[in-house]
Amino acid sequence: QVQLVQSGAEVKKPGASVKISCKASGYTFSTYGISWVRQAPRQGLEWMGWISTSNANTDFAQKLQGRVTMTTDTSTSTAYMELWSLRSDDTAVYYCARDSCTDGVCYIDYWGQGTLVTVAS
Amino acid sequence: QAVLTQPPSASGTPGQKVTISCSGSSSNIGSNYVYWYQQLPGTAPKLLIYRNDQRPSGVPDRFSGSKSGTSASLAISGLRSEDEADYYCATWDDSLRGWVFGGGTKLTVL
Repeated sequence: QVQLVQSGAEVKKPGASVKISCKASGYTFSTYGISWVRQAPRQGLEWMGWISTSNANTDFAQKLQGRVTMTTDTSTSTAYMELWSLRSDDTAVYYCARDSCTDGVCYIDYWGQGTLVTVAS
Repeated sequence: QAVLTQPPSASGTPGQKVTISCSGSSSNIGSNYVYWYQQLPGTAPKLLIYRNDQRPSGVPDRFSGSKSGTSASLAISGLRSEDEADYYCATWDDSLRGWVFGGGTKLTVL
């Protein structure tokens, strides 16, 4: 079965960076993209961006441009998201999610369990 | 503020039918498919409806989706206590060039 297993919770100081991993299993990693979505405490969902696992193309939410990088390691079926210059409002649960595409239309079908990132001094 | 507008809460008694709305614009719902996700307390979201009205395997047919113009809705019939969760609509926004979500609707089964 499809599984996305993320790395554990992180506590970071303002200005630092955080890198979260997402290991996929149960499907062919390179045939599905990976999106990252975050959820601040008691808030809704916010799409952060997407990476193609076949050619490493990326697309980021405008508000995060310049502060986020997304990479993949196809040898280990793992995706990574790194967020720089952390602020208190970056405190959130971060999810990786699989993008399923059919006829050029893509959507998120499976989600990781989430990684809590707390930014505090 | 979420790009898509959902009511913050909804409720119903067991066996009832509940409908959750999701309002957008021509650049998002009006020109793209709508998706619905269910988030049970303390868990990751789960895909409930894709391409406006399609159910993934394993999702009960009590859940149905529809779309008209720049609005969409999720209907849950035969309400059960385990349906108590947060529900989010989502779609692609052509102007923002990204996925957008509704603010979420907390469903309470009385």
